[in-house]
Amino acid sequence: DTGVSQDPRHKITKRGQNVTFRCDPISEHNRLYWYRQTLGQGPEFLTYFQNEAQLEKSRLLSDRFSAERPKGSFSTLEIQRTEQGDSAMYLCASSFGLAGPLGEQFFGPGTRLTVL
Amino acid sequence: AQSVSQHNHHVILSEAASLELGCNYSYGGTVNLFWYVQYPGQHLQLLLKYFSGDPLVKGIKGFEAEFIKSKFSFNLRKPSVQWSDTAEYFCAVMGGATNKLIFGTGTLLAVQP
Repeated sequence: DTGVSQDPRHKITKRGQNVTFRCDPISEHNRLYWYRQTLGQGPEFLTYFQNEAQLEKSRLLSDRFSAERPKGSFSTLEIQRTEQGDSAMYLCASSFGLAGPLGEQFFGPGTRLTVL
Repeated sequence: AQSVSQHNHHVILSEAASLELGCNYSYGGTVNLFWYVQYPGQHLQLLLKYFSGDPLVKGIKGFEAEFIKSKFSFNLRKPSVQWSDTAEYFCAVMGGATNKLIFGTGTLLAVQP
């Protein structure tokens, strides 16, 4: 399968614990996005990388959230001191683009986080 | 700020019925518009997109959408739905120089055989 992959697919954690998710984009894609989706809502943008540079962050991304893409390939999203409100599906997407917004975003299967 | 409104949260149709799902967006500049679909147990996938040119765009599986700039709308249509179209449909907008998608809340479509 050459699509976007995410690991783990499910994560259950206790409030206050730290969690880290990984996203592997489609290999030739230079852009990588993180979104969060809660029940009954559409995905909400969190952050976006072009190669290894984090170019945009949503105000939804509090200080407890950090994302990295160290070598311009895979990305990690870490949530520190998780809260029950962090329970959601975390989606990763990737696309190819040199300039401007064009380029279809391909989504991964998501990581479902449950904070007890 | 950009926003997307989907009017129908839950639609139930019989097979062969025609489908129209409403989508309105709020943004004053140039926009790129998308419809994504999520079949049960699957990833979000692109159904169709509008960047420029002909405002009537055709997508996969017989779906089409019409961009009406004066109404800030991008409604999704299909003349005859099938049971396999049962899914959740999301309208999304990407405005200006940003690369982020702004999604609507989605419409859950159930097609009865």
